[in-house]
Amino acid sequence: KAGVTQTPRYLIKTRGQQVTLSCSPISGHRSVSWYQQTPGQGLQFLFEYFSETQRNKGNFPGRFSGRQFSNSRSEMNVSTLELGDSALYLCASRTNTNTAADTQYFGPGTRLTVL
Amino acid sequence: GQQVMQIPQYQHVQEGEDFTTYCNSSTTLSNIQWYKQRPGGHPVFLIQLVKSGEVKKQKRLTFQFGEAKKNSSLHITATQTTDVGTYFCAGTTGWGKLQFGAGTQVVVTP
Repeated sequence: KAGVTQTPRYLIKTRGQQVTLSCSPISGHRSVSWYQQTPGQGLQFLFEYFSETQRNKGNFPGRFSGRQFSNSRSEMNVSTLELGDSALYLCASRTNTNTAADTQYFGPGTRLTVL
Repeated sequence: GQQVMQIPQYQHVQEGEDFTTYCNSSTTLSNIQWYKQRPGGHPVFLIQLVKSGEVKKQKRLTFQFGEAKKNSSLHITATQTTDVGTYFCAGTTGWGKLQFGAGTQVVVTP
């Protein structure tokens, strides 16, 4: 099976712009989670989508949003970019029926730099 | 809210030595997972522990889940340069959301 893919891999934006990142989960995986990773804050949970519905949400401002499509692909959007949004954005998928005990498979990440 | 604390933040190890990284939660966990992230890479799943007191081994790695299901440890024996990376624990108390620890960054000196 192909792994989790994320596009683009690298992105440079300027403050005030918006950005959309894409994630394609492993085939058959219905849950997609997004994380922000920075050197100072570690892995911070953004949100999780399951069957096109946001199931869990982390403590991020409303500038961060996401969605999931019927084929389980997911996108996250960050509006009005700030310098502090520079980070590695990781997507993770899992099969997940109704339990939290599934393994998460991470994609390679999108490295966003905000200038 | 739930917090997962991981110590130490950094671990410098001489090749061949052993070390342990610890993960502690403020609340009871239903399961705990461990991930390894190599420099420049993404987190890769290592193992999951579910039962109270569970111990699992993967070659030189030993994972333990505490009796109260609030703490976990990863012990690596005879450290090798291939063990370099950041080790994350991630626990959950409920359905869906994993809470990651800050990670232990391991540097191995030959």
